[in-house]
Amino acid sequence: EAQVTQNPRYLITVTGKKLTVTCSQNMNHEYMSWYRQDPGLGLRQIYYSMNVEVTDKGDVPEGYKVSRKEKRNFPLILESPSPNQTSLYFCASGGQNTGELFFGEGSRLTVL
Amino acid sequence: KNEVEQSPQNLTAQEGEFITINCSYSVGISALHWLQQHPGGGIVSLFMLSSGKKKHGRLIATINIQEKHSSLHITASHPRDSAVYICAAPYSGGGADGLTFGKGTHLIIQP
Repeated sequence: EAQVTQNPRYLITVTGKKLTVTCSQNMNHEYMSWYRQDPGLGLRQIYYSMNVEVTDKGDVPEGYKVSRKEKRNFPLILESPSPNQTSLYFCASGGQNTGELFFGEGSRLTVL
Repeated sequence: KNEVEQSPQNLTAQEGEFITINCSYSVGISALHWLQQHPGGGIVSLFMLSSGKKKHGRLIATINIQEKHSSLHITASHPRDSAVYICAAPYSGGGADGLTFGKGTHLIIQP
């Protein structure tokens, strides 16, 4: 089954404690991306990657890091989380030919 | 950077009605996405279109590249269509690009 898997789905953490949200896809997609969704602001892109070892900043990259060492994985790293990073995070992947996006189920992160 | 506007923000309709959601953008694009998000949060891609019209079941998406405008139509609407509908366009119009999103249209279909 084609899917994008994010982990963890829910996380409560404290300010400054490094965390990683993993994202994995099984469709051999070149394009992967991370978004955050906040009430009143909608979806905003954090980082995206067009292929292995290629990453680009989105609208709101501050406080986040990503890496794309393998085609299937695109982890989101919060080196020193702060309360303003409390949000619902989505990972997505897409093929270059179809362009259709496949989203993970979302990760709800709370930073205290 | 592309600016994406959706209208209406909220829409309540009766079952069976024909629904139209509009999306306009400021920078010419190669393709535009329509997404659906049900209560509970999951996001599903409905369409990616670069010209003309696409149809999937009761959903129809159209795009006018010259006018920088796209519409999503739902025929014979049903309560299960209740969701947030979101359009998204590339930042600078190109294919190899990040996405910027509209704020979404909250659709409620009443039985």
